[in-house]
Amino acid sequence: DVKVTQSSRYLVKRTGEKVFLECVQDMDHENMFWYRQDPGLGLRLIYFSYDVKMKEKGDIPEGYSVSREKKERFSLILESASTNQTSMYLCASSLSGGGYEQYFGPGTRLTVT
Amino acid sequence: AQRVTQPEKLLSVFKGAPVELKCNYSYSGSPELFWYVQYSRQRLQLLLRHISRESIKGFTADLNKGETSFHLKKPFAQEEDSAMYYCALLPHNRKLIWGLGTSLAVNP
Repeated sequence: DVKVTQSSRYLVKRTGEKVFLECVQDMDHENMFWYRQDPGLGLRLIYFSYDVKMKEKGDIPEGYSVSREKKERFSLILESASTNQTSMYLCASSLSGGGYEQYFGPGTRLTVT
Repeated sequence: AQRVTQPEKLLSVFKGAPVELKCNYSYSGSPELFWYVQYSRQRLQLLLRHISRESIKGFTADLNKGETSFHLKKPFAQEEDSAMYYCALLPHNRKLIWGLGTSLAVNP
């Protein structure tokens, strides 16, 4: 059974803080993704990684960076959190080739005050 | 432009009634299409994909290339079907394109 875990379910940070969101998957998946989910806006891809140390920008990468030092771990970094980054953040993983099912983590609800 | 459109933000039906969640896509190639579902307080998960032509939890979806649609259907809705449903398209660059989602409410 695929497991994708995220470091926090809820997080509250102050404007300007550096924020780290961690995602770990245990199925040896090559691909990992970070999305944000907002009401009325659906899922928007922030970044994805198709291999260790490899990353590609998604649709809304501004204000975010990522790190993938190990295959199982994909981190999302908010360099200087802002209130408009208050959102639900979802991590996902999948096998390579892109046609495979994406497995999602439970999400981290981030509030920036 | 590559796009997935789910025209209904909210769909409300009564238990036992048929339900159809609409999905239209815009894509020049041969599409791979998916339906994902998110139940309350659960993680997003794959419901079905068009290439497998399977029925999951009583739901089916048929790809209609002429109408560029991939509507999700169930003949008799159940209360446990209440959830957010997302249609998604996989283009050649292998990054899913998501619809905005439809919230289905099945009333008793």
